[in-house]
Amino acid sequence: KAGVTQTPRYLIKTRGQQVTLSCSPISGHRSVSWYQQTPGQGLQFLFEYFSETQRNKGNFPGRFSGRQFSNSRSEMNVSTLELGDSALYLCASSSRTGSEAFFGQGTRLTVV
Amino acid sequence: QKEVEQNSGPLSVPEGAIASLNCTYSDRGSQSFFWYRQYSGKSPELIMFIYSNGDKEDGRFTAQLNKASQYVSLLIRDSQPSDSATYLCAVNEGMDSSYKLIFGSGTRLLVRP
Repeated sequence: KAGVTQTPRYLIKTRGQQVTLSCSPISGHRSVSWYQQTPGQGLQFLFEYFSETQRNKGNFPGRFSGRQFSNSRSEMNVSTLELGDSALYLCASSSRTGSEAFFGQGTRLTVV
Repeated sequence: QKEVEQNSGPLSVPEGAIASLNCTYSDRGSQSFFWYRQYSGKSPELIMFIYSNGDKEDGRFTAQLNKASQYVSLLIRDSQPSDSATYLCAVNEGMDSSYKLIFGSGTRLLVRP
């Protein structure tokens, strides 16, 4: 069974640009969550999608947004990038009734 | 947003010993709890989840949950150098089977050969 796939793995952007990250969950999983990991703040929850609906949202500015498609694949978008957005962005995939949440390999975003 | 607290370590144990990792959380309504292992430069890897009071065992790992004390722990028996990593405790604050994992800052474990 394939795991959670995130693309791209690495990304370098300039301040002020926007970026879109993609996450394909484990087959059959309908919940996708996004997290930001930085050395200073650790792992922080961004948002969760289930059946194309955002169910939970963390404390991030509106520049951070996401969506989920009918095939459960999810994208997150960060607009007007700031240097502080440099981080490892992780998505986690979960089944509807199970309790496990499995992470992808992450996308490392560097803003210069 | 509620808090999840972990001792940052490092916790150093000799090979073959039992490593005990602890986590406390502030949200009494939390229902499920997770332990992840993260090697440097890698993504978190799920070790165990637990949602009932008591112990849950899986191989060399045992998770212990005490909801009254708002405490969850992870025991690693027969620790190996390959267990050296950062261990992250996470609490699910999502309602109605949704997911909103709140993570502690992690405990770094060092297993000495």
